[in-house]
Order: sequence, then C-alpha cells, then structure tokens
Amino acid sequence: SAVISQKPSRDICQRGTSLTIQCQVDSQVTMMFWYRQQPGQSLTLIATANQGSEATYESGFVIDKFPISRPNLTFSTLTVSNMSPEDSSIYLCSVESSLIYNEQFFGPGTRLTVL
Amino acid sequence: AQSVSQHNHHVILSEAASLELGCNYSYGGTVNLFWYVQYPGQHLQLLLKYFSGDPLVKGIKGFEAEFIKSKFSFNLRKPSVQWSDTAEYFCAVNGGSQGNLIFGKGTKLSVKP
Repeated sequence: SAVISQKPSRDICQRGTSLTIQCQVDSQVTMMFWYRQQPGQSLTLIATANQGSEATYESGFVIDKFPISRPNLTFSTLTVSNMSPEDSSIYLCSVESSLIYNEQFFGPGTRLTVL
Repeated sequence: AQSVSQHNHHVILSEAASLELGCNYSYGGTVNLFWYVQYPGQHLQLLLKYFSGDPLVKGIKGFEAEFIKSKFSFNLRKPSVQWSDTAEYFCAVNGGSQGNLIFGKGTKLSVKP
C-alpha cells in the first residue's frame, strides 16, 4: 500500500482567501484523485490529476475554483480559491494502487473551515 | 448515473452482536465494489473489495460481504462485533471511468462494550 501525507491537516480560513493543500506519496503513482467530504455527506470526487496533463474535473467542479497541479508522480496540490463557508469540508487525496486496478489508498485528509 | 445507497445512517450494537450493513448501487454494467472503514481519527482504509469471482468476499478483521448481482447489493457482515469495530463504514462502487469511486453516505457503527 502507498503512504500518503497531506498538508495542512486542518486550517481555518477567512472568506475570500485561497488555500493550497499538498499531497505527497511515498511511491510513484499514475493516478491521483482529490475528493471532498462535506459535513454529513459522502465523499465526492473533485478531479483526477494525472502527471503531465490537465486535471479532469467532475461535474460541478471547475478549474478556476479548484486548480490542481501535478508536477511529478509523487506530488499534487489542490487549491481552494476564493473560499466561502460552503467550502468548509474535509479534502482528501487518494492514489490508485500500482498493483491492483481501481483500488485506492487515501490520505488523512485536510479539514478546512471557512469563516 | 451511478449511485450508492447505504440504508442505515447510524447503527448501535452491543459487543458480540451480529452486524449487517446494507449497500445498494445503481449501475447496469460490470462493477467493482468496495467497503472502506474510517476509525475515529484515522484514514479511510480498504476493508474488502469485489472485482469478480466468488461473490462472497472476505476482508480484514473478520468482515465479509456478499455481492448479489440480481439485487444490486453488496452488504457487509460480521458475525460478532467488537468495541474496536466502532467506526464509519463506506460502500463504494466503480463501474465507469477509471478511478472514479462513487461513495455511499456512510454508516456510523457504535459498539457498546
């Protein structure tokens, strides 16, 4: 299994500001994913981040609001831009197993509160 | 569109009781099915998965799940729960684009010692 770390683990931010969340994996992976888990809700995929190409966003999520970088095979960032209280969520990074197709490992998450 | 339904929001059991958590999905094609668990303060962890073959799959910590294709179900079971099983359990399905896991809303399990 992959070991995934995220920074920051939590943050409290002001409305209108932006926060960049980092995801670091201990091995090279092709597929990285960013999910959001709003309070009392399930995990929802925001986008898929592949190294060397633009991220692929799911319906309801746009690049201007959630820009993603994927500079190499072990690292990705997600920025939550122009934040509002509705963006208060846990943001999780995950990677697909290099051995088993479709099996994903999750990071610890970043708990974001927007005031 | 794919969706996953978990019928129980919060289940409370005493130790040694049997557990069954329901999960139904909507997708007409071939699916991969997962149960993830999140213990208090910890990461999401894979509990078990079904890709193909024997529809009864066994996971870690004595959990098992049965894929019933005709019912579009993948219920999670454990014959005798322990206090340490207190956690939130998520059912997920992937049947479409690579990597896109669709999660249910989760079931919180509380086990009373």
